[in-house]
Amino acid sequence: ETGVTQTPRHLVMGMTNKKSLKCEQHLGHNAMYWYKQSAKKPLELMFVYSLEERVENNSVPSRFSPECPNSSHLFLHLHTLQPEDSALYLCASSQDWGTTIIQYFGAGTRLSVL
Amino acid sequence: DQQVKQNSPSLSVQEGRISILNCDYTNSMFDYFLWYKKYPAEGPTFLISISSIKDKNEDGRFTVFLNKSAKHLSLHIVPSQPGDSAVYFCAASGTGAGSYQLTFGKGTKLSVIP
Repeated sequence: ETGVTQTPRHLVMGMTNKKSLKCEQHLGHNAMYWYKQSAKKPLELMFVYSLEERVENNSVPSRFSPECPNSSHLFLHLHTLQPEDSALYLCASSQDWGTTIIQYFGAGTRLSVL
Repeated sequence: DQQVKQNSPSLSVQEGRISILNCDYTNSMFDYFLWYKKYPAEGPTFLISISSIKDKNEDGRFTVFLNKSAKHLSLHIVPSQPGDSAVYFCAASGTGAGSYQLTFGKGTKLSVIP
């Protein structure tokens, strides 16, 4: 099993669709993250969960809704997205959210909103 | 305003030579720095890190140098190999509350020419 697995790898959706991105980590970590990477921009942190509680929400629009049912799984529920939401969505995990944190990333979901 | 800057979008180096990737930061609260490497269709993978109490950290062919007074760090790859061709991201974090948050640069695409 790879460390952090994301599904699906590619997703095309219309603006009225509802879809979900899934992330699973097999590293025994207790913190998980969602990032967005748009073309020509740095990775942007969207959400952080530590011990299944959300500890950060970086002013992300409500059309993105995260869910962390346990420390190994993280979801990003998508609803009525806009074309500018097309991007690579990356999930990461780390041992904890203290100092000197190394985050381990999944391969990402390439999302296209039509 | 970008707090972590990688001013060179791309770099080409001959195989066997040294690759030097640069990163500048503006936030003096950053005290832990990481380099990630990303191949196409994969997530970023952790490469090497350095704490602000050090000015150099070495791991095999990879060395990271930190100049705190200049708020500058660099990644040296010696000797460069074709398999090193990838996008390299510099990231930074602080300590204390919010230290889980990594701030990324836009990345530098390294091409190692055989």
